[in-house]
Amino acid sequence: GDSVTQMEGPVTLSEEAFLTINCTYTATGYPSLFWYVQYPGEGLQLLLKATKADDKGSNKGFEATYRKETTSFHLEKGSVQVSDSAVYFCALSEIYGGATNKLIFGTGTLLAVQP
Amino acid sequence: EPEVTQTPSHQVTQMGQEVILRCVPISNHLYFYWYRQILGQKVEFLVSFYNNEISEKSEIFDDQFSVERPDGSNFTLKIRSTKLEDSAMYFCASSKLTGEASSPLHFGNGTRLTVT
Repeated sequence: GDSVTQMEGPVTLSEEAFLTINCTYTATGYPSLFWYVQYPGEGLQLLLKATKADDKGSNKGFEATYRKETTSFHLEKGSVQVSDSAVYFCALSEIYGGATNKLIFGTGTLLAVQP
Repeated sequence: EPEVTQTPSHQVTQMGQEVILRCVPISNHLYFYWYRQILGQKVEFLVSFYNNEISEKSEIFDDQFSVERPDGSNFTLKIRSTKLEDSAMYFCASSKLTGEASSPLHFGNGTRLTVT
């Protein structure tokens, strides 16, 4: 079945460092790919998405490019801030028979940014 | 911005007891979902709900689970006889349309269920 694998955390960085969180996927069809973020005490929020190969999703300085050839969707940010400290989830979605928004998530990666 | 709200934020129950987790989706959304995350594991899809019926459910969603939209605003998840392994964070979500690419899910803050 479809699955998402992302790098284990925690990832600890100093402020202004470069961030990469790796995500790879396995899917039978042509999924859409997402990054969700969970700040402490809050729910999951959509950070960015890409719906087809070579699309780049971007938001709040974060970027991820849908790479079909490597089945990857790595999250990057050039200069992290303390406020970026959160858990980041990679996810995919396929439409099964035209039905629901069934997201398949990775395990999440905790990012801790130190001042 | 409208939010999905979940209550309670934390629920402790004894094994074998029934528990109801409550959610108020965003008012103009039509699709509703429950996901859960056991500590240290992946966020897992449980069930989706549309037009007052289940549209899809996972193998986790067995006969012990049920969902209901009792009054047009609330969306509930009931676990009839809780087991220790039901301890998890339960997330409610809603969306306007189906097809995540065009209609993202909005998640609540979750209810942490602890079964003792």
